[in-house]
Amino acid sequence: EIVMTQSPATLSVSPGERATLSCRASQSVSSRLAWYQQKPGQAPRLLIYGASTRATGIPARFTGSGSGTEFTLTISSLQSEDFAVYYCLQYNNWPPFTFGPGSKVDI
Amino acid sequence: QVQLQESGPRLVKPSETLSLTCTVSGGSINNYFWNWIRQPPGKALEWIGYIHYSGSANYNPSLKSRVIISVDTSKNQFSLKLNSVTAADTAVYYCARADNDFWSGSPNWFDPWGQGSLVSVSS
Repeated sequence: EIVMTQSPATLSVSPGERATLSCRASQSVSSRLAWYQQKPGQAPRLLIYGASTRATGIPARFTGSGSGTEFTLTISSLQSEDFAVYYCLQYNNWPPFTFGPGSKVDI
Repeated sequence: QVQLQESGPRLVKPSETLSLTCTVSGGSINNYFWNWIRQPPGKALEWIGYIHYSGSANYNPSLKSRVIISVDTSKNQFSLKLNSVTAADTAVYYCARADNDFWSGSPNWFDPWGQGSLVSVSS
């Protein structure tokens, strides 16, 4: 099973600042990695797939990068609606598909 | 656009079977992989398994002995059964679609998702 780790667990930032979140896989997942945003009481929302492709309707301030075992999600200028928990998902080696433990971005 | 909606009992007794159905609207169930994912309160997401529209299924090894996922293409629905539940199975259960990777035919990322259904296991 591929184990996904994320850091930091919590990131405290101010609106307008940049946020950088990391996701690491225990072995290579190529570029088959997605990022999700989840707000309380809501289902996860797809942000990025293929490590760097923004999903439909996702603002350009969200940028995904990386391949292999190291990935990054950057939010260039945080808006109030971006405060949430972010999960990475690997879909390269399965079963099982595995998610990271999440990174919370708060004010 | 495609929408998914989970339905089923919200309370299940320990040792009994949890049953949920996901209804797909706004699109066909054909040509996709249909997934169940769960999230215990305050915890991370866990993939339970998928059913392909053709009927082939794949499960998380950690749950494989207790899970059955099935599909009813005539109703545009797929279902989850998890038996011998305990309090550790209390979670929000989501259904989600994954499309086919063009080159490998494997499932891709999960999108869209249903809104989720909180199922509690308690006597």
